[in-house]
Amino acid sequence: DSGVTQTPKHLITATGQRVTLRCSPRSGDLSVYWYQQSLDQGLQFLIQYYNGEERAKGNILERFSAQQFPDLHSELNLSSLELGDSALYFCASSVAASGRYPRGTQYFGPGTRLLVL
Amino acid sequence: DAKTTQPTSMDCAEGRAANLPCNHSTISGNEYVYWYRQIHSQGPQYIIHGLKNNETNEMASLIITEDRKSSTLILPHATLRDTAVYYCIVRVAGNQFYFGTGTSLTVIP
Repeated sequence: DSGVTQTPKHLITATGQRVTLRCSPRSGDLSVYWYQQSLDQGLQFLIQYYNGEERAKGNILERFSAQQFPDLHSELNLSSLELGDSALYFCASSVAASGRYPRGTQYFGPGTRLLVL
Repeated sequence: DAKTTQPTSMDCAEGRAANLPCNHSTISGNEYVYWYRQIHSQGPQYIIHGLKNNETNEMASLIITEDRKSSTLILPHATLRDTAVYYCIVRVAGNQFYFGTGTSLTVIP
């Protein structure tokens, strides 16, 4: 158990819909990261937040957005869903926004499996 | 663009050492090499990291070549529970992790 929690574990929805994925980081971690893992693409970095502020952006679509709240939990919002958005979505957290071990080491949650029908 | 190159798959006999190679020829001087593994579709699990010296912890050893262009993760006594996809990662731009395709390790009884 990494200490990172994600809800829900599974989500089934229809094309065109909007969903929200939630992540609670490990106690004391200020930085949160979101990754997408689809069958044909592997793990792709989406976005990073540090203490409520966006820190880095990766391959995140404009239909997707995220935020980190004052209590440090984060939400990933996916809208206008398409079949291709079906994937595992992982959240990770670290103490610092960067830096060497252990402050920069990322710890991953169990993921949310999204299926778009 | 790929930052790391790993073999797609490897087999290892149970109880033997598993040696997983990784090429990171474009690594810069201050970039660390991290290793994670993913069992089935679980969240990736941190294993070990290194900069230029060899490292060892309770899970594995990491051997980094002197020119830092490649490294090898060593699981000294592989068990069936070590069957997983192993990712060699070089951090880019702050703390973003680039996950390549990884090596699918199968430990055979």
